[in-house]
Amino acid sequence: DTEVTQTPKHLVMGMTNKKSLKCEQHMGHRAMYWYKQKAKKPPELMFVYSYEKLSINESVPSRFSPECPNSSLLNLHLHALQPEDSALYLCASSQYRDAEQYFGPGTRLTVT
Amino acid sequence: AQSVTQLDSQVPVFEEAPVELRCNYSSSVSVYLFWYVQYPNQGLQLLLKYLSGSTLVESINGFEAEFNKSQTSFHLRKPSVHISDTAEYFCAVSDNYGGSQGNLIFGKGTKLSVKP
Repeated sequence: DTEVTQTPKHLVMGMTNKKSLKCEQHMGHRAMYWYKQKAKKPPELMFVYSYEKLSINESVPSRFSPECPNSSLLNLHLHALQPEDSALYLCASSQYRDAEQYFGPGTRLTVT
Repeated sequence: AQSVTQLDSQVPVFEEAPVELRCNYSSSVSVYLFWYVQYPNQGLQLLLKYLSGSTLVESINGFEAEFNKSQTSFHLRKPSVHISDTAEYFCAVSDNYGGSQGNLIFGKGTKLSVKP
């Protein structure tokens, strides 16, 4: 099973809202990732967790706050977003940091 | 820094014709190479990977890619495409050691459009 699940599939939020994106994998992978993908562009790395510790934060604004409650779950907390943050947010996982990554279906976020 | 170049942003092709999507990377050190496919409104699916060993890697749906170290290329090929192969294809590279170990660097993508 190489499935990564993400909820919700779609999210519309105002600039003053607080919401969270969720990602889950049950493959025993020890590395998990958040990416942001704008239309017709490749994914851009936002955060990397390795063994439940944040190892990379690619200069992402503080209105995005990641959390890794356990080895299977990854959250992305959103607060005071801007319309330019509208994008597809992808979660991925890999067995270790240098193994191939498996992606979830994404959450389509629209900020109004 | 690593970089990946996908030479064609769009490739239109007729059904049952062969296709090649080109990918070149910049690193001269040891790397891992991947092709991902993204269908409309979906996430990325791993199509195939080169980690080590045989330089020719194959996927279950007829795609293959060949790692060419001297030309720093990892081109994707399929001898006969189907309508269902219409999608965006991303080539990606990662270092297999060092501080950026495992970070995927993506090319800009190639939109494959298969016409009947």
